[in-house]
This record gives sequence, structure tokens and C-alpha cells, in this order.
Amino acid sequence: AQSVTQPDIHITVSEGASLELRCNYSYGATPYLFWYVQSPGQGLQLLLKYFSGDTLVQGIKGFEAEFKRSQSSFNLRKPSVHWSDAAEYFCAVVSSGTYKYIFGTGTRLKVLA
Amino acid sequence: GAVVSQHPSRVICKSGTSVKIECRSLDFQATTMFWYRQFPKQSLMLMATSNEGSKATYEQGVEKDKFLINHASLTLSTLTVTSAHPEDSSFYICSASPGGHTRIDTQYFGPGTRLTVL
Repeated sequence: AQSVTQPDIHITVSEGASLELRCNYSYGATPYLFWYVQSPGQGLQLLLKYFSGDTLVQGIKGFEAEFKRSQSSFNLRKPSVHWSDAAEYFCAVVSSGTYKYIFGTGTRLKVLA
Repeated sequence: GAVVSQHPSRVICKSGTSVKIECRSLDFQATTMFWYRQFPKQSLMLMATSNEGSKATYEQGVEKDKFLINHASLTLSTLTVTSAHPEDSSFYICSASPGGHTRIDTQYFGPGTRLTVL
């Protein structure tokens, strides 16, 4: 069965520091991968997605993610974090055949001023 | 583009009453909409997949008679929580997909509805 693991439940970084949020997936074929961000009490906003092609994907708000098949990973990165980036981040993979999203458990990011 | 709205954003109701939540795709047609439930500090749990003009497909463990879904048009799906009880209190989020359920496509999420049952 497909699954998504986000190993870090909480991450705290200082404003201006770099950020990497980890995402590992279990999937037999080529995965379709997404990163979403959720601010408190809000819905999810798409940051970026990978369907095929270049394994380094650029998203909104200065985020990028790299698909590494050998490591079954799709880690999210940002070179310099802003206080407004504090939120919950979800990685998702599309389930083969059903086209349903499978979400990871999320990583809560805290940004220190 | 790809905006999804939900109404209401918050609702408080008494135990035993029914509550209807609307999900609209504002600038695209969505043959498929999805309904999720999110408990505090947890991930999203898919409840059901709603296809325009046909019956919704419910995930295992989700009571279809309790959570009624109607997808009457290409831009509107509704979730009705019938005979709500305090354990139904949660954050309900819908999403819409332009690609429908026949191909993999991006889901665009609504802002969510906070339901509190007293």
C-alpha cells in the first residue's frame, strides 16, 4: 500500500535560516507528489508538485523540492525562511488507480524572530 | 485561478440537528470533489469522493447515511452532517479537481469549515 512519511512532527528555525522538510513515500510506480501548506484554521495551499521531468521543482513563496527516486524522497527546501512561513506543511502522493491523495502526518514549522 | 470556496467557515449547532456545508469551485468546473475531515493537529482523512451526477464513494468506516453528499452541478458539492453529535465536531475541508477521477490531477482545497456540535 502507498504511504507517505514525514519524520519530523515539529521543526523550529530562526528567521533567515535555511529549511528542509523531509518526505518519504512508499510507492511502486512513478509517484505524483505534492507539497501543501496550511495556516492555522485555513485550508491547504499548493506549494508545488512533481509529475515528471526535471526532478528539482520550483514552487511558490520561494520553495523548491527535489524528487530522489533512489531515496524515495521528496524533500521541501527554502534557502531563507520568513516569519510568515510558520504553518503546517503536508506532503502527499497520489494513489495509483484511485487518484486519491495520501497525506503525510504533517510537519509544524515554527519560526523564531 | 483554481479557487475553491466553502460556506460556512464556522458553524455551531445543537446535538441532533443537521448541518449543510457547501463547496464551490469558483473559476473552473470540477467533475470530482473530495471531502476530508481533519482532527486537531492531525492530517487530513478522506471521507468521500463526490462525482457530479452520481453517488458519492465513501471511504471505509465513513457512515454514508450520516454524511450525505450531493454533487448537483460541476461547481457545487454539499456535505450534510445529519443528526450531528459532539463527536462530529471537526474541521471539514473540501477539494476540487479539474481532472476528475479519471486522471491524476491537482486538487485545490477550500478554506475549511469548523463544525462545533454542542
